[in-house]
Amino acid sequence: SQQGEEDPQALSIQEGENATMNCSYKTSINNLQWYRQNSGRGLVHLILIRSNEREKHSGRLRVTLDTSKKSSSLLITASRAADTASYFCATDAEPGGSYIPTFGRGTSLIVHP
Amino acid sequence: AAGVIQSPRHLIKEKRETATLKCYPIPRHDTVYWYQQGPGQDPQFLISFYEKMQSDKGSIPDRFSAQQFSDYHSELNMSSLELGDSALYFCASSLRDKEETQYFGPGTRLLVL
Repeated sequence: SQQGEEDPQALSIQEGENATMNCSYKTSINNLQWYRQNSGRGLVHLILIRSNEREKHSGRLRVTLDTSKKSSSLLITASRAADTASYFCATDAEPGGSYIPTFGRGTSLIVHP
Repeated sequence: AAGVIQSPRHLIKEKRETATLKCYPIPRHDTVYWYQQGPGQDPQFLISFYEKMQSDKGSIPDRFSAQQFSDYHSELNMSSLELGDSALYFCASSLRDKEETQYFGPGTRLLVL
């Protein structure tokens, strides 16, 4: 299985601090995506990074990908209380085939105002 | 902009009953995916459809079936419900040629008593 595994499982920080979450996976991928999920709600796509990319930015989000270590990190800068959510990474299950994301267990982020 | 619509949003059933969950994809999206997310778990891919045909199959139990209709909406039918079926069920839609970008619905929370 190419399941992503996030760490830490839970992260508690103060507003204004940066939050870094990591994801590791097991086999080759075409791309890796990060999603956000507010408690009991749907998943919101944040950012996609392809296997030939090393870093990508979107607003306060910065994603890195290290295919040699089979890992990715999501950095949220200047966090806000509204960033409180669970964050999942997802990798595609069969490179070259249909895109079926395999999700990791997620990191629960709490940002204290 | 229109999003993925799921109904019902909440559902309570007894063991051994049946349930039908509905998903209405974003207009013009031709691919629908179903996911199951147990309490504190990561989303697990169940099944997907493209142009009304089953595209990929994941960890969907034999007690479950799904289909996509001519108007592209999809239904997930669940029979002989078990306590372990209690979960959040997500539907996502995409365009086939942009299947990496899936848009998730808000989910249906199913509770089996």
